[in-house]
Amino acid sequence: AQTVTQSQPEMSVQEAETVTLSCTYDTSESDYYLFWYKQPPSRQMILVIRQEAYKQQNATENRFSVNFQKAAKSFSLKISDSQLGDAAMYFCAYRSGGGANSKLTFGKGITLSVRP
Amino acid sequence: DSGVTQTPKHLITATGQRVTLRCSPRSGDLSVYWYQQSLDQGLQFLIQYYNGEERAKGNILERFSAQQFPDLHSELNLSSLELGDSALYFCASSVGTLSNQPQHFGDGTRLSIL
Repeated sequence: AQTVTQSQPEMSVQEAETVTLSCTYDTSESDYYLFWYKQPPSRQMILVIRQEAYKQQNATENRFSVNFQKAAKSFSLKISDSQLGDAAMYFCAYRSGGGANSKLTFGKGITLSVRP
Repeated sequence: DSGVTQTPKHLITATGQRVTLRCSPRSGDLSVYWYQQSLDQGLQFLIQYYNGEERAKGNILERFSAQQFPDLHSELNLSSLELGDSALYFCASSVGTLSNQPQHFGDGTRLSIL
C-alpha cells in the first residue's frame, strides 16, 4: 500500500519570503501522480499543483513549484513571495496511475502560518 | 467554486442515529469519491462510484453505505452513529476514473455527534 508522510506538523514564514513544505511517499509503482492541496480555514480543498511521475521536469504554477525527486520518493512544495492568503493547511497526496484504483492517499498535512 | 455541491453544510445529531449526506458532482463528471477528514485519522478515502456503479472501496465502515443515482448525484448514509464518526465528509468528482483527471472537491459536510 502507498503511504504519504508529512513529518512537519507546522511551519511559519514571513510575508514575501520563501518556504518549502516537505513530503515523502512510499510506493512500488512506477506510474503515479502527486498533488499538493491547500485547505484554508474555509475548509475547501483546493488543488495547488500536480506532478506526473513520468515527467522529469518539476511542475510550476505561478508562485508554487515542486521539487520532485523520484529516486528519493520526495515531493516538496516551494511557495515563493508568500502572501497572507497562503496561510492554510497543505496536504500532499498520491494517486496511482493505473486507473483501476484512482483514490487519493493523503498525508497528515502541515499547517502553514504567514507572519505579516 | 468547484462546481461540486454538498448538503447539508453542517449536521448535528446524537449517537445511534442515522444521517444522509448528499453530493451533486460537477456537470459532466461521472465519478464521485467520498472522503472523511477527522483529527485522528486525517483525510481518508471511503468509496468511489462511477456512473452508478461502485468502483473502489477504502476504509469505509460497515455502518456506512453509499450509492450513486441515475442523475449522478450520490448519497453517503451513516448509521448507528458513534462519537468517533464526528468528522468533515468531503465529496469529490472527476470526469472519469483515470488518474490524470483531477478530482474537484466540494466544501464538505461537518458532522457533529453529541
